[in-house]
Amino acid sequence: AQKITQTQPGMFVQEKEAVTLDCTYDTSDPSYGLFWYKQPSSGEMIFLIYQGSYDQQNATEGRYSLNFQKARKSANLVISASQLGDSAMYFCAMITGANSKLTFGKGITLSVRP
Amino acid sequence: ETGVTQSPTHLIKTRGQQVTLRCSSQSGHNTVSWYQQALGQGPQFIFQYYREEENGRGNFPPRFSGLQFPNYSSELNVNALELDDSALYLCASSFGLVGGYNEQFFGPGTRLTVL
Repeated sequence: AQKITQTQPGMFVQEKEAVTLDCTYDTSDPSYGLFWYKQPSSGEMIFLIYQGSYDQQNATEGRYSLNFQKARKSANLVISASQLGDSAMYFCAMITGANSKLTFGKGITLSVRP
Repeated sequence: ETGVTQSPTHLIKTRGQQVTLRCSSQSGHNTVSWYQQALGQGPQFIFQYYREEENGRGNFPPRFSGLQFPNYSSELNVNALELDDSALYLCASSFGLVGGYNEQFFGPGTRLTVL
């Protein structure tokens, strides 16, 4: 079975600083993909970044980067130069070759302070 | 390009009633997945439809059922509503099977409250 663990309590960061959101995962499938989504209070899930299990380099998308440590089964999201609009829930999710569903973690609340 | 839309935005029902939620996929997408997100939790996979056929189902009872139409719009039906069915229901569309790790585009969700 696949599992995503997000255990950080609510996170706070000062505007313009960087923040790391933690995610660990568990799967026995050698082929999998890891996603990060942002969910503002409006409810819509916004795709941020994707990392494949066979990708040699860490994924980056603008201010978002994924610190992928395969041996530790971790896929932490790094947001650089935080903005007030980054305040939201952040979800780590995984998909494996064995099925066609996204497995989500419980999420982390990020609050950016001016 | 039209994004994923869902209707209604909010809905209030009573226990035992039936409800139908609707999702219009992003243009060109042939796969739709439905998720249930209880308050304070991550979304849970309900099922997925690919070209009008069910293609994978999560741990939800048979009273949760779905349809996908030739235009790739979709419905989620829930019979005999229970209080625990109160949640945000999200649909997500993609092109091709999600097992190919294609990005899923989510709609804004339908907030269902069961009294």
